[in-house]
Amino acid sequence: EAGVAQSPRYKIIEKRQSVAFWCNPISGHATLYWYQQILGQGPKLLIQFQNNGVVDDSQLPKDRFSAERLKGVDSTLKIQPAKLEDSAVYLCASSRLNQHNYGYTFGSGTRLTVV
Amino acid sequence: GESVGLHLPTLSVQEGDNSIINCAYSNSASDYFIWYKQESGKGPQFIIDIRSNMDKRQGQRVTVLLNKTVKHLSLQIAATQPGDSAVYFCAEMRRPQKLVFGQGTRLTINP
Repeated sequence: EAGVAQSPRYKIIEKRQSVAFWCNPISGHATLYWYQQILGQGPKLLIQFQNNGVVDDSQLPKDRFSAERLKGVDSTLKIQPAKLEDSAVYLCASSRLNQHNYGYTFGSGTRLTVV
Repeated sequence: GESVGLHLPTLSVQEGDNSIINCAYSNSASDYFIWYKQESGKGPQFIIDIRSNMDKRQGQRVTVLLNKTVKHLSLQIAATQPGDSAVYFCAEMRRPQKLVFGQGTRLTINP
């Protein structure tokens, strides 16, 4: 079974610029998540999709962050404009619908540095 | 607010010894508690989980203990090896399928 694919692996941008991250979940996984992991901290949920609908985006800074999951498969997360405090690893994860054990399968993440 | 936290940010053990990583949680309404291992440059990797109605579960070299009375979770790693060096997170699976992570403990292995 192929894992969760994310790209790019690294990105360096200047503050106020825009950036986009891409995620391809495991085939058949209906639920997709984006997490933000600041250095030294645990991952924090930004948004949760079930198929192509949003289940939870309560922690997403909607003034600058947006995410979509067209056709219920791939997803993109965008930041516009970026701030210095957005520097973090952005992790994508996926799971089967209503799977409460085993947690999720995570990708390797995109490390974003805002300068 | 609700949180899942860890007692110690770092843990250093001798190779071959047993490691115990602790976690405190505050929310009782969850289905599972899960331990993840995160190596540098990688995403969190599932180690073991335990259902909220259990108090112990064993895997290969790992054991998870759940004490709901004091809201405490621990991960025991037997015969710690150099490959066990990583950051370990406890996480709580809350409905509907929301995974909440704690702060993490960095485990280092001394030769």
